[in-house]
Amino acid sequence: ETGVTQTPRHLVMGMTNKKSLKCEQHLGHNAMYWYKQSAKKPLELMFVYSLEERVENNSVPSRFSPECPNSSHLFLHLHTLQPEDSALYLCASSHTIKGSYGYTFGSGTRLTVV
Amino acid sequence: KNEVEQSPQNLTAQEGEFITINCSYSVGISALHWLQQHPGGGIVSLFMLSSGKKKHGRLIATINIQEKHSSLHITASHPRDSAVYICAVRGIETSGSRLTFGEGTQLTVNP
Repeated sequence: ETGVTQTPRHLVMGMTNKKSLKCEQHLGHNAMYWYKQSAKKPLELMFVYSLEERVENNSVPSRFSPECPNSSHLFLHLHTLQPEDSALYLCASSHTIKGSYGYTFGSGTRLTVV
Repeated sequence: KNEVEQSPQNLTAQEGEFITINCSYSVGISALHWLQQHPGGGIVSLFMLSSGKKKHGRLIATINIQEKHSSLHITASHPRDSAVYICAVRGIETSGSRLTFGEGTQLTVNP
């Protein structure tokens, strides 16, 4: 365990379902991130939160909706997804948004949309 | 063309071999990261570099800022080193929230 915990580890959902991914860290970090990793492609930044405020939305479709209720928890709400959204979704955190002390990643949620 | 290029894409070695993975980038950076991703998907941060060289156990990371190039070396490789190794850079012009990632190098170490 790295200190960033993601649940569930695996998720299969239909295109009409609504589900949520959860990320939790108790490292005292103030910045949290959602990344998408598709097969054979580099990690893509989706969202950045700093002190519970969204500071970056990297042109992500509205079917992905993030939520950061406090500095320890980050959610990614999913609805009406497409098969091409199947990927590994990784959460990360850092002390501050500058990332000067590095980043800690979770184990990811493997999402399959059917 | 990706701002971060890694080579090779795939690497197979025999246990005990010395391994080098290369990373070239095209932007000015404030830091470069080497990450390790195991088959389950989780990512572990190995090194964060802004200059010179760092060593941790059998792993050594070097960076040449002028040449915009970094290398990750593994000495006395072992099957448990089998993983995807990812290079990522944080640019000097960004607010700090954006890392740009390479596509990764799949390393397989055979016993």
